[in-house]
Amino acid sequence: DTGVSQNPRHKITKRGQNVTFRCDPISEHNRLYWYRQTLGQGPEFLTYFQNEAQLEKSRLLSDRFSAERPKGSFSTLEIQRTEQGDSAMYLCASNPLQGTYEQYFGPGTRLTVT
Amino acid sequence: GNSVTQMEGPVTLSEEAFLTINCTYTATGYPSLFWYVQYPGEGLQLLLKATKADDKGSNKGFEATYRKETTSFHLEKGSVQVSDSAVYFCARSNTGKLIFGQGTTLQVKP
Repeated sequence: DTGVSQNPRHKITKRGQNVTFRCDPISEHNRLYWYRQTLGQGPEFLTYFQNEAQLEKSRLLSDRFSAERPKGSFSTLEIQRTEQGDSAMYLCASNPLQGTYEQYFGPGTRLTVT
Repeated sequence: GNSVTQMEGPVTLSEEAFLTINCTYTATGYPSLFWYVQYPGEGLQLLLKATKADDKGSNKGFEATYRKETTSFHLEKGSVQVSDSAVYFCARSNTGKLIFGQGTTLQVKP
């Protein structure tokens, strides 16, 4: 069990560019979550998957954001036409279908939009 | 609405002092409750949890009791160490996703 991994760890991009982040959950974890955390705040839920199915999306997730988990294993989060307000830490977490909802977090991808 | 509220920080204590970080929640039903910790330069780690009323979660000398009557889950530790300096997040979950408080920074001075 190697834990949740995320790539890249840091991304600097110019406004208007597209970026894609990857998350590899703990193997055999059915559920995968994306959160966004800005400085001085707690993580905010963006979306989650149960296997391949995207079951919930936050109203925070604008049309410029899309997430996929095509084979029920790793997931990608894409942001199109980035804006400076997208600068944040993007966190991924996973947990098994059965359990007490505790989630295991990856180290995050820090996005800076210049 | 559904939310989690934590006491504002930073909280600054001397080593071996008693710690309380308050957390209250609003939610429908009976959520599971969690404390996560974020050490400097590291990712979020689960510190402790409680899944039903009157449950006490504990880990590394930290404790929190699920109080349904006061909708609270306050974090306590009897004697803090410098190594406990971190940001602490209270969170709840009914349906899978976690709803976090804004975090409380703890600074412990030697």
